[in-house]
Amino acid sequence: QVQLQESGPGLVEPSQTLSLTCTVSGGSISSGSYYWSWIRQPAGKGLEWIGRVYITGSTNYNPSLKSRVTISIDTSKNQFSLKLSSVTAADTAVYYCARLSGAVRWGQGTLVTVSS
Amino acid sequence: DIQMTQSPSSLSASVGDRVTITCRASQSISSYLNWYQQKPGKAPNLLIYAASGLQSGVPSRFSGSGSGTYFTLTINSLQPEDFATYYCQQNYNTPVTFGQGTKVEIK
Repeated sequence: QVQLQESGPGLVEPSQTLSLTCTVSGGSISSGSYYWSWIRQPAGKGLEWIGRVYITGSTNYNPSLKSRVTISIDTSKNQFSLKLSSVTAADTAVYYCARLSGAVRWGQGTLVTVSS
Repeated sequence: DIQMTQSPSSLSASVGDRVTITCRASQSISSYLNWYQQKPGKAPNLLIYAASGLQSGVPSRFSGSGSGTYFTLTINSLQPEDFATYYCQQNYNTPVTFGQGTKVEIK
């Protein structure tokens, strides 16, 4: 069964770039016609979709974050990544990686705090 | 963007009650609608896919219905482990959007 695991720094300074990686295990990230997504959730609030990447590297982003987001995929490592630039305290959240189509899978989430 | 509006935002119910949560889309999304359950500190767990498909392993007391712009999630005979927050999510087009959530609390 495919599993997803987020990794990356739990603390990022304001104005810096948040970088997270999602490692897919139990199956190839390239198998099937799936998009791989990033979603975030501030404490006590709802879910916000950040964007997604296809196995070809094609991406779709949330317009509200598009100017600051880059999502990429590395099929050789079975990973996909998120970069969010110019972060502020408003970007503090639990970040999830997920596959939202086919057999839906979510990572357990990782808390990223933006603070100096 | 397609706006997803859930109601109510919260509700109090007793074990054994039947609970219905609604989700309205700002435009037609056919049946591209998923329902999730989320408990504190945990990732969302898929309950219903494509508006009415019961995810494997999910108890049959959960059911979903609807198409177009109006959807419902029903929990028959609420159990103690069902107290959680529920989200609808459309994947008709991007950006993927979620409802604001419905918190089901113990009465």
